[in-house]
Amino acid sequence: SYVLTQPPSVSVAPGKTARITCGGNNIGSKSVHWYQQKPGQAPVLVIYYDSDRPSGIPERFSGSNSGNTATLTISRVEAGDEADYYCQVWDSRLGVFGGGTKLTVL
Amino acid sequence: EVQLVESGGGLVQPGRSLRLSCAASGFTFDDYAMHWVRQAPGKGLEWVSGISWNSGSIGYADSVKGRFTISRDNAKNSLYLQMNSLRAEDTALYYCAKGIAAAGPGAGFDYWGQGTLVTVSS
Repeated sequence: SYVLTQPPSVSVAPGKTARITCGGNNIGSKSVHWYQQKPGQAPVLVIYYDSDRPSGIPERFSGSNSGNTATLTISRVEAGDEADYYCQVWDSRLGVFGGGTKLTVL
Repeated sequence: EVQLVESGGGLVQPGRSLRLSCAASGFTFDDYAMHWVRQAPGKGLEWVSGISWNSGSIGYADSVKGRFTISRDNAKNSLYLQMNSLRAEDTALYYCAKGIAAAGPGAGFDYWGQGTLVTVSS
């Protein structure tokens, strides 16, 4: 089965840029979606189809995907961005999530 | 406003069955694929099952294949998950999620319910 690998945690100071990676075999050939989940809340889609932003998601959130790594980039990080982030793809018509990355804003 | 409201969770003994429901509103239900995603306590997200807009395409995670059955009733704007032969490892918060597109594979999930908790324990 297809495996997506995310770092368990990423820390960043307010105002800086956070980059959360999602590794998978030739992930660049797949569409990657990213979700933000705050404690006690349902996930929220923040990036879809590699780099598209849903309405209401700040432009500070962006995505890229190439080769074996997809990346979620959060610019000018704010305290409110502290959350768990999950990448997700489809493989053989089955949904696959990464293990999640906890973003800590220092 | 899109709303997804799950129900049907609870405490159930191993080997027993449970049926989850998801009531959808605020969008044209039969235009989109729908999915179930679960999250075990303190763990990450796991896709469970998905169904296309017309029920013509259905998929299951290997962990639930043969035990769970997804279905939808477009006339009632409702999604269901019949869970049989439940195991302790099925204990999780079960989310109903709306697909971005009519078919499941390839698309993300743009709206989520608040989840319904299923606890499998004797």
